[in-house]
Amino acid sequence: GNSVTQMEGPVTLSEEAFLTINCTYTATGYPSLFWYVQYPGEGLQLLLKATKADDKGSNKGFEATYRKETTSFHLEKGSVQVSDSAVYFCALSGASGTYKYIFGTGTRLKVLA
Amino acid sequence: EAGVTQSPTHLIKTRGQQATLRCSPISGHTSVYWYQQALGLGLQFLLWYDEGEERNRGNFPPRFSGRQFPNYSSELNVNALELEDSALYLCASSPLSGYGYTFGSGTRLTVV
Repeated sequence: GNSVTQMEGPVTLSEEAFLTINCTYTATGYPSLFWYVQYPGEGLQLLLKATKADDKGSNKGFEATYRKETTSFHLEKGSVQVSDSAVYFCALSGASGTYKYIFGTGTRLKVLA
Repeated sequence: EAGVTQSPTHLIKTRGQQATLRCSPISGHTSVYWYQQALGLGLQFLLWYDEGEERNRGNFPPRFSGRQFPNYSSELNVNALELEDSALYLCASSPLSGYGYTFGSGTRLTVV
């Protein structure tokens, strides 16, 4: 079936460090891929998305490229800030003709000043 | 434009009681999705409603049920509450195309 696998957290980085959160997926068809962010005590917010192979989604300094050959959608940021501390969820949608989103388990990021 | 609205923000119930959670989607969105986020776990898909019909259901017992009203708002009902039902319940809405979930801030249900 369709699934999303994220690297386990927590990930702890110093401010201005480089961030990579790995995400791989298994899906039939041609899903769209998403990264969502959840700040403490809040719901999920869409961070970025990509709808087809080789698309690069970007927002607030975060980037992720839809790699069909490696079935990956890794999240990267060149220089993290304390305010980036949150839980990040990778998700896919549109696989097998279903609109239901499938989420990874989430990766908690903690950025230290 | 108003976002997805969920109520109440917090809900405390006793084991065995029933809980009702509500969700108002973004105007123009016809699909509503419910997810459970238990502490330390990811999002587990509960239910999907579109045009008043239940379209898909996650791996949850029948005591989790819901409905969608003609104005596309939705209710999630949890009967015979158990301690492990304590979680953040998130609602999301999307246009008919299914593209572009927008989440509400969630209802935190605590069962004591």
